[in-house]
Amino acid sequence: QQQVKQSPQSLIVQKGGISIINCAYENTAFDYFPWYQQFPGKGPALLIAIRPDVSEKKEGRFTISFNKSAKQFSLHIMDSQPGDSATYFCAASSYSGYSTLTFGKGTMLLVSP
Amino acid sequence: DVKVTQSSRYLVKRTGEKVFLECVQDMDHENMFWYRQDPGLGLRLIYFSYDVKMKEKGDIPEGYSVSREKKERFSLILESASTNQTSMYLCASRRFGTGGGSYGYTFGSGTRLTVV
Repeated sequence: QQQVKQSPQSLIVQKGGISIINCAYENTAFDYFPWYQQFPGKGPALLIAIRPDVSEKKEGRFTISFNKSAKQFSLHIMDSQPGDSATYFCAASSYSGYSTLTFGKGTMLLVSP
Repeated sequence: DVKVTQSSRYLVKRTGEKVFLECVQDMDHENMFWYRQDPGLGLRLIYFSYDVKMKEKGDIPEGYSVSREKKERFSLILESASTNQTSMYLCASRRFGTGGGSYGYTFGSGTRLTVV
């Protein structure tokens, strides 16, 4: 089974700090790497995504860093806010329309006031 | 503006019952998916469908089946519910096209199923 390994399982960050979540994948055919954010009682929602032709993508306070040679990618949340407290999932798939997403196991982020 | 609707938020069923979980999307998406979410295990793919009448097994299809008679509706069926199928079930849809693997999934809010 193709895996995406996510760490840490949980994370506590002070307001204003940087939250960092890491993921590693095995399948070199993966070339699409999204992050999903899930609030309690809701389904996951697409937060940001990257393809391996770039090493970094930034959207507001959220940045994905991608290291193709190491087969790793990470999510950085700058100036973390209590409203960012949620579960974050990394995922990976090939670019093909016939692909499906393989998800990491998730990281519960708590941003303390 | 709800896009993917799962018919029940909470469901309690007895062991051995046949259970139907319904999912409807209003975005005219070709692809639909059923995942289950368990603490510490993340999201695991049960079944998916590329289009009407089509279905493919995911990573954990045992004990489940699906039906897609109409484009907007994708049903997950537990043939004989067991306690180890107690979980959060998430339905998602995605449009299909060139580079379709990069189109984001739209998830429903989930159905929390308890089998007693």
